Amino acid sequence: GQNIDQPTEMTATEGAIVQINCTYQTSGFNGLFWYQQHAGEAPTFLSYNVLDGLEEKGRFSSFLSRSKGYSYLLLKELQMKDSASYLCAVRDRNEAAGNKLTFGGGTRVLVKP
Amino acid sequence: GAGVSQSPRYKVAKRGQDVALRCDPISGHVSLFWYQQALGQGPEFLTYFQNEAQLDKSGLPSDRFFAERPEGSVSTLKIQRTQQEDSAVYLCASSLVPGQGNEQYFGPGTRLTVT
Repeated sequence: GQNIDQPTEMTATEGAIVQINCTYQTSGFNGLFWYQQHAGEAPTFLSYNVLDGLEEKGRFSSFLSRSKGYSYLLLKELQMKDSASYLCAVRDRNEAAGNKLTFGGGTRVLVKP
Repeated sequence: GAGVSQSPRYKVAKRGQDVALRCDPISGHVSLFWYQQALGQGPEFLTYFQNEAQLDKSGLPSDRFFAERPEGSVSTLKIQRTQQEDSAVYLCASSLVPGQGNEQYFGPGTRLTVT
């Protein structure tokens, strides 16, 4: 099975940078996803890492170290609209299961003016 | 283009009632997933379909939960004899094909409240 840990809540100031860490223990790994979820809305895809290293996409970057079972999501130049929950999810290697996702509990980020 | 849609968006059921939740995936998407999300938690996997075949139902919490996708497109999640612990948001997600790099697209969810 999978065990995924991320902080419950983080607070940051508009314009600043926030780093959300995610650690995982897995019996099979086939990639790590980050999703953003505003309250009452669907999770929306932010990033995908399957190899070690940093993936940059605009203000958002995601890093993966498979040997350490560790990822982080970096949000730069924070905007008020970035206040949301950020979900770390590991994809199962089992294709018969459709490569299902196992999610962490989510990190609620509150951006203050 | 049209995303994943779910209906109803909100459902209130009395304990013991049966409910049916509908998911319309993105057209052409082979894979369909159901997840359950409790308040303040991440989504938890319930079941997976590849076309009309239910390949994994290991996450269904009890035999009161049943899902189907008879024609490989629309899916229905049915909960019989609802209990208070079934109160949650039920999310549906679809992806184009199983495999590398195919993100899952989520619907807005159905918020079920059992009273």
